[in-house]
Amino acid sequence: EVQLVESGGGLVQPGRSLRLSCAASGFIFDDHALHWVRQAPGKGLEWVSGISWNSDFIHYADSVKGRFTISRDNANNSLYLHMNSLTTEDTALYYCTKLGAGGWFDPWGQGTLVTVSS
Amino acid sequence: DIVMTQSPDSLAVSLGERATINCKSSQSVLFTSTKKNYLAWYQQKPGQPPKLLLYWASTRDSGVPDRFTGSASGTDFTLTISSLQAEDVAVYYCQQYYSTPYTFGQGTKLEIK
Repeated sequence: EVQLVESGGGLVQPGRSLRLSCAASGFIFDDHALHWVRQAPGKGLEWVSGISWNSDFIHYADSVKGRFTISRDNANNSLYLHMNSLTTEDTALYYCTKLGAGGWFDPWGQGTLVTVSS
Repeated sequence: DIVMTQSPDSLAVSLGERATINCKSSQSVLFTSTKKNYLAWYQQKPGQPPKLLLYWASTRDSGVPDRFTGSASGTDFTLTISSLQAEDVAVYYCQQYYSTPYTFGQGTKLEIK
């Protein structure tokens, strides 16, 4: 069974940094691209960033470009999101998700909550 | 960026009745060489992550009941639940994976009337 388990969320002050992690199991990790999608409280889904299987291709939403860095460790089946210069607009549940064969997202982890507040 | 617009924002349907959710993309998400629409539908129940329902606009994911169907006409897409069940109460999202940034519709909240 494919499992994606996010961690690293928490309460952080504006301007500070945080690193999210996603531990994957149940599939051949380095065969798949992985993405982060976030959901602000009571709001819809917003794609954040994605990384190809070998890290050659990386994309970011404009809202996080220059502040967030996605990375992966294929040896340890882990995905990361380094978030700098956090603002209250970054408050959200951050989901880790695997890119399907054609480009859809499946499955999704349970998410880790990031709250940016003073 | 491709803008995805869903309608309605919320919908109340009686059990056993048909529910229809619409999604419109601001530009085509049809890849001409494959003749496939790069569009997916997700279901998100309260307190849960999204779950993939359909991809290629109309292909049901494994285990998805056949009461869920998807259709496409140009840049207009429709998710239809043929006979609403209580467990279908959720927010439904469309998403294009034609180009980055991947974008979602704003969501349609489906409730029981």
